[in-house]
Order: sequence, then structure tokens, then C-alpha cells
Amino acid sequence: DTEVTQTPKHLVMGMTNKKSLKCEQHMGHRAMYWYKQKAKKPPELMFVYSYEKLSINESVPSRFSPECPNSSLLNLHLHALQPEDSALYLCASSPSPSGGYEQYFGPGTRLTVT
Amino acid sequence: GENVEQHPSTLSVQEGDSAVIKCTYSDSASNYFPWYKQELGKRPQLIIDIRSNVGEKKDQRIAVTLNKTAKHFSLHITETQPEDSAVYFCAASRGGSNYKLTFGKGTLLTVNP
Repeated sequence: DTEVTQTPKHLVMGMTNKKSLKCEQHMGHRAMYWYKQKAKKPPELMFVYSYEKLSINESVPSRFSPECPNSSLLNLHLHALQPEDSALYLCASSPSPSGGYEQYFGPGTRLTVT
Repeated sequence: GENVEQHPSTLSVQEGDSAVIKCTYSDSASNYFPWYKQELGKRPQLIIDIRSNVGEKKDQRIAVTLNKTAKHFSLHITETQPEDSAVYFCAASRGGSNYKLTFGKGTLLTVNP
């Protein structure tokens, strides 16, 4: 498997809901990332995991909670989101555990908060 | 921190023409420069990258050049095809222990048949 996969593809949630986004890669990559992308903008880094440990949190609000259960899986738990959180959420992975080099993106989850 | 400027923001060319997108960066310690292509509704796709010990890299119709002294790098697409139409993002990173890619704002390339 040479791709990063993400589920679900689309998600609509109310501001009081709790939902989770899932990301999976089986390329043996040791760094995994969550990005948020608004329309016509570049991806914006949220979190970085290296060797399943949280390495970077880009001052993301606590309503976004990441989790890395194992080296292949990355989750993003969502709670009490705001309409402005509607965006494309991209997961990425990198073969370099120290990061900063090639990153490969998943197809994203299109999130709409109502 | 790093700042990456990308120009132009939109570019329209005729099929078969060449397209050039330019980026400048501010952090002289940056040593890794990837280019991503993002078609509408799709994931960003890494299409080519260059490290600071190399001045130019080619892959079929795509090439990237790097001028470390001037702190700018460029994407060159030759013999453009309609399927090259997409948003292209440049990025820069220190690599190593710095995990971040700093992205430019993107260029919307339209190739007209």
C-alpha cells in the first residue's frame, strides 16, 4: 500500500456533536501530520506526530484532539466545533521521522459544521 | 520564521506552451523545497522536490531550479497539457529536526486547449 487513506470523505456535524476523523498509512512512515485547508489557501499545519508521540501542536484549540494509537493510525477527535472550522482536513505522512522532508497527503475529509 | 512568497497567483497558458512559477524564501537555513500539485477536490500531490545541494532537477516535463544566493526557486513545466491545470504550491523547510513545510499561497495554472 503506497497511499495515505482517510475516512470519512465527507462529514457534516452540529456544534454539539462529537466525531472523529481517521487516517491510515502502511508505508512504514514514522511521522504523521494533520493539516487544515480552507478553499483557495495552502494547507495549514495543526499537529505533528513522530514515533507516535506528539511533537508539534500549532496552538490548535482544544476542541481538536489528536491521537496516534499506533505507527499506522492517526485520529483527530472533534468536539464542540464552530462553523468557521468547516474545511478540508488533510492527513500526511513522511518517511523521515525527523520531519521536514517529503510529505505525502491523504485525500482529506471535507468537514462541514452546521 | 520562514516566509515563502509565490508568484504569480494565477497563470493562463495555451496548450503546448511553457509555464514558470516562482517562489522566494526568507530563511537562509531552509534546505528542502518541494512542489505540490492540487487538482480541484483532490489531495496535494508531491510532484518534484529539490535539496539545497542541487541547483536543478528534472523529471520529464517538469523541472525545478534553485538559486540559494538569491533565495528563490522556480517550477518549470514544458509542453503543457490540459491535465496540468491545477493549483501549484511551493514550500520550504529546514528539514532535519524541523518538521514544518512553509507553503506559498499557491498558483492557479490554467492550460487552455
